[in-house]
Formats: sequence, C-alpha cells, structure tokens
Amino acid sequence: EAAVTQSPRNKVAVTGGKVTLSCNQTNNHNNMYWYRQDTGHGLRLIHYSYGAGSTEKGDIPDGYKASRPSQENFSLILELATPSQTSVYFCASGDARIYEQYFGPGTRLTVL
Amino acid sequence: QQKVQQSPESLSVPEGGMASFNCTSSDRNFQYFWWYRQHSGEGPKALMSIFSDGDKKEGRFTAHLNKASLHVSLHIRDSQPSDSALYFCAASVPNYGGSGNKLIFGTGTLLSVKP
Repeated sequence: EAAVTQSPRNKVAVTGGKVTLSCNQTNNHNNMYWYRQDTGHGLRLIHYSYGAGSTEKGDIPDGYKASRPSQENFSLILELATPSQTSVYFCASGDARIYEQYFGPGTRLTVL
Repeated sequence: QQKVQQSPESLSVPEGGMASFNCTSSDRNFQYFWWYRQHSGEGPKALMSIFSDGDKKEGRFTAHLNKASLHVSLHIRDSQPSDSALYFCAASVPNYGGSGNKLIFGTGTLLSVKP
C-alpha cells in the first residue's frame, strides 16, 4: 500500500521561530502536496510539487516555503512562525493521471 | 475563488441506517469528484471517485454525479459504527495561474453511527 510518512507528529513552536515539517513518500509519485486542516475550512492547499527541484504555490502560500530536494522528500518551512499557523498539517503524494492523493498521518503544530 | 460546498456539517444515523452527504462545485471545469474519509487521528483516505453522470456503486457506498448541476452525493447503506468519521468531497479542477490540476476540498461532514 501507498506510504507517506511525516515528522514530527507533534510540534510546539514559539512565535518568530523557524519550523520545518518533513514528508517522505515511497510511492514513487511525481506529485506531492502540503495542506493544512482547520475546523470549518476543510483541507487547504499550501504548496505542491511536480517533481524534484520544483515547488508551486497553492491557495494559501503566505508565510510558508516548500522544498523538494528529491522524489521522496518534500518539506514545509515556516521561517517566522505565528500563532495563526497553529493547525494540523498533512502531506500527500499523488497520481497525476487520476488525481488520487495519498495522505500522511499529519503533524499537529502549535505556535505559542 | 474555487469552492466546494458540502452539507450537512454533521450527521447522526443509527446502525444499519442510510447516511447521505452532498457537495456542489463552483468550478464547471472539474475532471473528477473524489470522496475521502478521515478517521480521528489519521490522514484522509480515498474512498471512491466519479467522473461520469449517474451512479457508481462500490459495496455499501454509492456516489451520484449530476454534471449539469455540478452536484455530487455519497450514500452509505447499512451504516456501521466503524463508518463514524469525517467525510470530505474533493473536486479535481484546473490550477488556474499555475499548471496541472488540483483538488479543492469541501469542509467535511462528521458522521456518527450509533450502535
């Protein structure tokens, strides 16, 4: 079965600090995605990538950067974390032909 | 802004009952609708997709798509307590201003199946 892992699973950060969320997939999918999930908003797309070395802005990219150093790894970077970025973050990998996405278990981030 | 409206926000059904969810896309250029299910503490998992008008049945799950009205629904018959979860619909739409396609998720329906 498709495998997407995320680390850390839980993170507490201070306002103004730098946070890096990591994602690894073993599906050999070209596409990878970062979402955040908030009550009342569903899942919202932050950044995505079509392959190693590429990143694209999603619907809510402000305050976030992304890095795709390899086919397997995709990171989300918060250079200056703010309390409004407290959320649950999900990484996904996707099959571009049929648009199905496979999600990781999520990272719960709290910014104090 | 591309949106997917989903209803209801929450739903409670007795074990063995029928659960139904609805979604409407604001973008007529969708390719697929997907239904995802998320159990507490886990990531969403795809249940099924539909891209043709009419019904698609997979076991106890039936999706219905009406392209003219941009409306999709999901029906779960003989609901089980293990079906209790958050259900999302998602429309695959063009990524205007970018490239390729992206999924736009609805806000979710929380299903509770009472034994």
